[in-house]
Amino acid sequence: GAVVSQHPSWVICKSGTSVKIECRSLDFQATTMFWYRQFPKQSLMLMATSNEGSKATYEQGVEKDKFLINHASLTLSTLTVTSAHPEDSSFYICSALDRPPYGYTFGSGTRLTVV
Amino acid sequence: KQEVTQIPAALSVPEGENLVLNCSFTDSAIYNLQWFRQDPGKGLTSLLLIQSSQREQTSGRLNASLDKSSGRSTLYIAASQPGDSATYLCAVYNQGGKLIFGQGTELSVKP
Repeated sequence: GAVVSQHPSWVICKSGTSVKIECRSLDFQATTMFWYRQFPKQSLMLMATSNEGSKATYEQGVEKDKFLINHASLTLSTLTVTSAHPEDSSFYICSALDRPPYGYTFGSGTRLTVV
Repeated sequence: KQEVTQIPAALSVPEGENLVLNCSFTDSAIYNLQWFRQDPGKGLTSLLLIQSSQREQTSGRLNASLDKSSGRSTLYIAASQPGDSATYLCAVYNQGGKLIFGQGTELSVKP
């Protein structure tokens, strides 16, 4: 089946530094990938849609300069949290859409802690 | 604007029971509906995808149904096991569109 690999699974960084999260589709090509953020006990919040070879589309209220998205190939999208602050601490998950019967496939998530 | 609602928000059952999770959506013009499972601190695992032309899908002890006209889907879990304990999420989307999630049902199966 469709597999999406996300790295790292967890990261701790100091305030003011930047962190890059990678999302790879392993056995299919993904022209579009999606980035979500999830707070404890809450459902996923879509942050942005990553389009291969073009600019990402951000949801309302998401700072594009804070959350940089690059989708340079059909199998890789990256999310960079720039100048991270403690309030950016969260669980970040990526996904990609494959053909039926797979549908949307999600990465395993990245737990970001900013100290 | 599409809205997805899941009932109940939480459910606790003894092992071996059959159970039904409910999902409703306000706009019947969906492309597909997908059920996911999320374990604490983990990503989402796809359980079943129902295309808009289908009425149900089955995988092992899981059966999902879709009634587009009434805006409803159910996930039936047979002979529940403690390992089924997780949060179950229902999501709908249009062709090439964004997933719209429900708030999830937190299931606990007691040994």
